[in-house]
Amino acid sequence: EIVLTQSPGTLSLSPGERATLSCRASQNVYSSYLAWYQQKPGQAPRLLIYGASSRATGIPDRFSGSGSGTDFTLTISRLEPEDFVVYYCQQFGSSPWTFGQGTKVEIK
Amino acid sequence: QVQLQESGPGLVKPSETLSLTCTVSGGSISHYYWSWIRQPPGKGLEWIGDIYDSGSPKYNPSLKSRVTMSVDTSKNQFSLRLSFVTAADTAVYFCARDRLAYQAGDFDLWGRGTLVTVSS
Repeated sequence: EIVLTQSPGTLSLSPGERATLSCRASQNVYSSYLAWYQQKPGQAPRLLIYGASSRATGIPDRFSGSGSGTDFTLTISRLEPEDFVVYYCQQFGSSPWTFGQGTKVEIK
Repeated sequence: QVQLQESGPGLVKPSETLSLTCTVSGGSISHYYWSWIRQPPGKGLEWIGDIYDSGSPKYNPSLKSRVTMSVDTSKNQFSLRLSFVTAADTAVYFCARDRLAYQAGDFDLWGRGTLVTVSS
């Protein structure tokens, strides 16, 4: 099973700042098989990024993804108030599909 | 617009079987993989397994001995059964659809989730 480790666990920033979230895999993940989700309290996750770097439909361009192999990054260029929630990475290159433990972005 | 809706009991007794159904509306269940994902209160996400419209489920090995998934194309529904539940199975259970037809993996469509509590 591929273990995904997200860091930091909590990121404290101010609106307008840049957020950089990390996802490290225990084994190589083919880039096409790495996704990022945003989850607001009481809601289902929402797909932000697929294929490591492609934005899903309707996702603002302040969200971007990068990386390959075992190291992937989600960047939010300028934090908006609604971005202060939890983010998960997910791999589906090797079954079982697995998620990272999440990074919470909180207001500083 | 395709929508997913989970349904089933919100309370299950220990050692009994959890049964949930996901109804697909606004579109066909065909040609996609359909997954169940759960999230214990305050914790992260765990993929339980998926199933294609023709059957052939794939399960997470951590739950494989207790999980059964099925699909009913005539009703546009797919289902989850988890046997011998314990308190550790208390979670919000989501059904979800894979982003691309014919390909399992990432999820672009989710149900709202249903909380299942295991307690006597």
